Amino acid sequence: DSGVTQTPKHLITATGQRVTLRCSPRSGDLSVYWYQQSLDQGLQFLIHYYNGEERAKGNILERFSAQQFPDLHSELNLSSLELGDSALYFCASSVTFRAYNEQFFGPGTRLTVL
Amino acid sequence: GENVEQHPSTLSVQEGDSAVIKCTYSDSASNYFPWYKQELGKGPQLIIDIRSNVGEKKDQRIAVTLNKTAKHFSLHITETQPEDSAVYFCAAKGITFGNEKLTFGTGTRLTIIP
Repeated sequence: DSGVTQTPKHLITATGQRVTLRCSPRSGDLSVYWYQQSLDQGLQFLIHYYNGEERAKGNILERFSAQQFPDLHSELNLSSLELGDSALYFCASSVTFRAYNEQFFGPGTRLTVL
Repeated sequence: GENVEQHPSTLSVQEGDSAVIKCTYSDSASNYFPWYKQELGKGPQLIIDIRSNVGEKKDQRIAVTLNKTAKHFSLHITETQPEDSAVYFCAAKGITFGNEKLTFGTGTRLTIIP
């Protein structure tokens, strides 16, 4: 158990809908990262928050947004869902963003868009 | 941005033999190289990492080597066991402001044959 929690574990929804994925980092970790894992794409970095502020963006679609709250939990919002958004979504946390800080991954949320 | 290539994509070895997975990276400024193991239905878990100022690191049956000049690093697993079967990902981490994120390789599915 990494100490990072993600809810829900599974999510099935229809095209055009909007969903929210939730992540609670390890106690004391200020950084939260979101990744998308598709079968043919590996682990793709989406976005990084540090202590409530957005710090870096990857190849995140405009339909996707995220935020980190004062209690440091984070939410990833996916809207106007398409079939291609079906994937595993992981969040990871680390103490800060410094070079050698290990990132601890949560168990993921499996999103299926029908 | 950073690009990480990983080979092979699949690898089968007899139990007790060694396994080697290789990665190359493109950004010479990257300074941290972790390896993650992902078992079915779980999030990636760090198994070993190496910093750019170190050429080799070993932890029991697992070792990682780094060649900064050639920009490649490798994972070595000796005396493989059935529980080593999993997908392994290499990654490289940037150090420039706002780019302190992990870029992952595409993964290697390792199967240990009893």
